[in-house]
Amino acid sequence: QSALTQPRSVSGSPGQSVTISCTGTSSDVGGYNYVSWYQQHPGKAPKLMIFGVTKRPSGVPDRFSGSRSGNTASLTISGLQTEDEADYYCCSYAGSYTFVFGGGTKLTVL
Amino acid sequence: QVQLVHSGAEVKKPGASVKVSCKASGYTFTTYAMHWVRQAPGQRLEWMGWINTGTGDTKYSQKFQGRVTFTRDTSARTVYMELTSLTSEDTAVYYCVRYETSDTYFDYWGQGTLVTVSS
Repeated sequence: QSALTQPRSVSGSPGQSVTISCTGTSSDVGGYNYVSWYQQHPGKAPKLMIFGVTKRPSGVPDRFSGSRSGNTASLTISGLQTEDEADYYCCSYAGSYTFVFGGGTKLTVL
Repeated sequence: QVQLVHSGAEVKKPGASVKVSCKASGYTFTTYAMHWVRQAPGQRLEWMGWINTGTGDTKYSQKFQGRVTFTRDTSARTVYMELTSLTSEDTAVYYCVRYETSDTYFDYWGQGTLVTVSS
């Protein structure tokens, strides 16, 4: 089971928007409405930011949004803040009760 | 509040086995499955598998099949992950993660257990 493909890094200035992509196949990202996104600060456990492709848990700012087109899911962060600087991982259900994570993207807020 | 508390860091020699525990509190233990995810230093998150805390049924990633075993003790509200035939590539932080079935996501993560494999 190959990891989902994410860009190694993205960057943006405070106040700007960035989008992180997550490309899989029709057997995972494109096949189920079960894509989630996690934020991880250095030395910390990951934190859920988006689930069900587009849904946001309570407590997550509405600056974070999710979408999908075909086999590629995306996480968009608008109005970048310095505290958004972290690693971001996508995750998808891959059938047969299995899951797969992306390779991770390092977001730098310039 | 929901808490997942891991056992402490481990140092093992190549070829040995390790057993990591994760104690849950703040919710009905058998209502939620528990997954295990690991992260080697500077590397990505890697899904290992999960255990149905109610029935004890398990599902393992093909990568770890035959080398990993998940168990649970419902009276102790604890899940366990045992990994055998360790190599240096198994050096990682191992997380237990609560799984929300209805919308299929991981909502609570433990603090992780660092397992270091070194001769």
